[in-house]
Amino acid sequence: NAGVMQNPRHLVRRRGQEARLRCSPMKGHSHVYWYRQLPEEGLKFMVYLQKENIIDESGMPKERFSAEFPKEGPSILRIQQVVRGDSAAYFCASSPDRVADTQYFGPGTRLTVL
Amino acid sequence: KNEVEQSPQNLTAQEGEFITINCSYSVGISALHWLQQHPGGGIVSLFMLSSGKKKHGRLIATINIQEKHSSLHITASHPRDSAVYICAVPTSGGGADGLTFGKGTHLIIQP
Repeated sequence: NAGVMQNPRHLVRRRGQEARLRCSPMKGHSHVYWYRQLPEEGLKFMVYLQKENIIDESGMPKERFSAEFPKEGPSILRIQQVVRGDSAAYFCASSPDRVADTQYFGPGTRLTVL
Repeated sequence: KNEVEQSPQNLTAQEGEFITINCSYSVGISALHWLQQHPGGGIVSLFMLSSGKKKHGRLIATINIQEKHSSLHITASHPRDSAVYICAVPTSGGGADGLTFGKGTHLIIQP
């Protein structure tokens, strides 16, 4: 059973471009969480999704950021018109069901904005 | 919302020493996570525990639900244990919450 997969592992974008980060949860997991780790800072929650639904997006910036988890395919975190302050490591985690507390982390995507 | 405090923030020890990292949280929880982040940046889940004690190799995690406190111990520490150790709890206490993280403990084990 493959673990949580994220791609790309490293992404370089110029200011103003769009960044798309993908997360494939573990097989059988229908809950996905996105976290961000800014340089020299701790991990912070961004958004929690189930298939086709956003459950909690309280940690996500109101502008330029969006997330989805379609019925088929990976979860996508999209950042439009990236700025240098978006440079960070973005981690996703998945869990199997609502009552489960265990979250399994992916390897992360390191976004660098030039 | 839960708040998480970890101590110490930085810890340097000699190979072979017994290591203890502490974590306190403010809201009752269903489970607590200990995570390890290596210099390369990847995150590994070490433990998820809701009561008592768990052991995996040289790592031991304990939790006291009443006192809202958990400890991570490393026995016979080794330089490869050098990493950031992070405590995390559900933001609102339980269920399928997003997690709130401690700031991490930077551990360096010198040969």
